[in-house]
Amino acid sequence: DAGVIQSPRHEVTEMGQEVTLRCKPISGHNSLFWYRQTMMRGLELLIYFNNNVPIDDSGMPEDRFSAKMPNASFSTLKIQPSEPRDSAVYFCASSLFHNEQYFGPGTRLTVT
Amino acid sequence: GENVEQHPSTLSVQEGDSAVIKCTYSDSASNYFPWYKQELGKRPQLIIDIRSNVGEKKDQRIAVTLNKTAKHFSLHITETQPEDSAVYFCASDQAGTALIFGKGTTLSVSS
Repeated sequence: DAGVIQSPRHEVTEMGQEVTLRCKPISGHNSLFWYRQTMMRGLELLIYFNNNVPIDDSGMPEDRFSAKMPNASFSTLKIQPSEPRDSAVYFCASSLFHNEQYFGPGTRLTVT
Repeated sequence: GENVEQHPSTLSVQEGDSAVIKCTYSDSASNYFPWYKQELGKRPQLIIDIRSNVGEKKDQRIAVTLNKTAKHFSLHITETQPEDSAVYFCASDQAGTALIFGKGTTLSVSS
């Protein structure tokens, strides 16, 4: 298995632009998580899905952030419009029920 | 919601010494407590985990202990090596669902 796949690995964009991050979970996993990591705030849970259904999005910082999971093998995290304070590493992780979460390689987002 | 406190934030040891990282959690319903290691520029990777039905688990030089009454759990690394240098995160499951992570401990092992 290729593990959790994320794209792009690096994204540099200007303030105000729309950013879309993509994730492909491990085949067969039924839970998917989006995290944001910064030096100041550590690893924060943004939103997670069980069987493609959003369960808890209380970690999504603002309405500028949205996430979708149209099927079991794909999820997106969108920021519109982006701001410099959104600069961070965004990780996607997947798991089978309540077991080990496998993280993707992350997307390093820089908003100038 | 669940809150996970992790201490210390940084830890420096000499090669061969032991390292201990401690975490406390708030949700008494939490049952799953994993530890992740994150090397610089890499993704977090699970190194050991423990569930609430056991008090201790070992895997070679790594061990985790859990005290459910006191709501704390600890990571113990013995005979540390330079390659153990990384950021370590504890976590607990929130009501049996998503993981809530501690702020991390930067471990530096000098030879």
